[in-house]
Amino acid sequence: SAVISQKPSRDICQRGTSLTIQCQVDSQVTMMFWYRQQPGQSLTLIATANQGSEATYESGFVIDKFPISRPNLTFSTLTVSNMSPEDSSIYLCSVDSGRASPKTSTDTQYFGPGTRLTVL
Amino acid sequence: AQSVSQHNHHVILSEAASLELGCNYSYGGTVNLFWYVQYPGQHLQLLLKYFSGDPLVKGIKGFEAEFIKSKFSFNLRKPSVQWSDTAEYFCAVNEFSGGYQKVTFGTGTKLQVIP
Repeated sequence: SAVISQKPSRDICQRGTSLTIQCQVDSQVTMMFWYRQQPGQSLTLIATANQGSEATYESGFVIDKFPISRPNLTFSTLTVSNMSPEDSSIYLCSVDSGRASPKTSTDTQYFGPGTRLTVL
Repeated sequence: AQSVSQHNHHVILSEAASLELGCNYSYGGTVNLFWYVQYPGQHLQLLLKYFSGDPLVKGIKGFEAEFIKSKFSFNLRKPSVQWSDTAEYFCAVNEFSGGYQKVTFGTGTKLQVIP
């Protein structure tokens, strides 16, 4: 399994500002994922981040709003840009259990503790 | 697109009662299946997973789940729940396409166990 930490754990932000969330993993991982969990709802995948390439965004999410960096195999950031109250959510970082190698079908995702964002 | 349905949104049980939470998915290809649990104030944790082999998988804390391919189901069970099982449970399905992995989560089931 992987141990994942996120910073900040929570924040309250003003409308129109941006927040960068950091995700750190204790081991090298091929793929990292960013999810959003809005109040009372399930997890929605925002994007998949591979080291050394552009992130792949899911339908409804765009790079201008949620830019992602993946500078190495243990770290990623997600920025929530030009925030509005609708962005209030828990943002979760996740990694798969595969190491820095071609993917197999036996990987499990592990989740960080999340960042609780409130936009006023 | 893949979809995952959890039919029970909120379940209330007394301690020692048996539990079964339903999960159905729509993807017709090869899938990996998971149940995650989120205890109050804590982050998501893996409860159990199915990749291949025996369709009855056992997880932590006495939970098990059965994969029935013909029914596209992966129901979670526990014969006797405890107050400490109060949590939200998420079913998730992992599909692979062209080396790209995507996990789709169900909407979750909140379980409340009454002492």
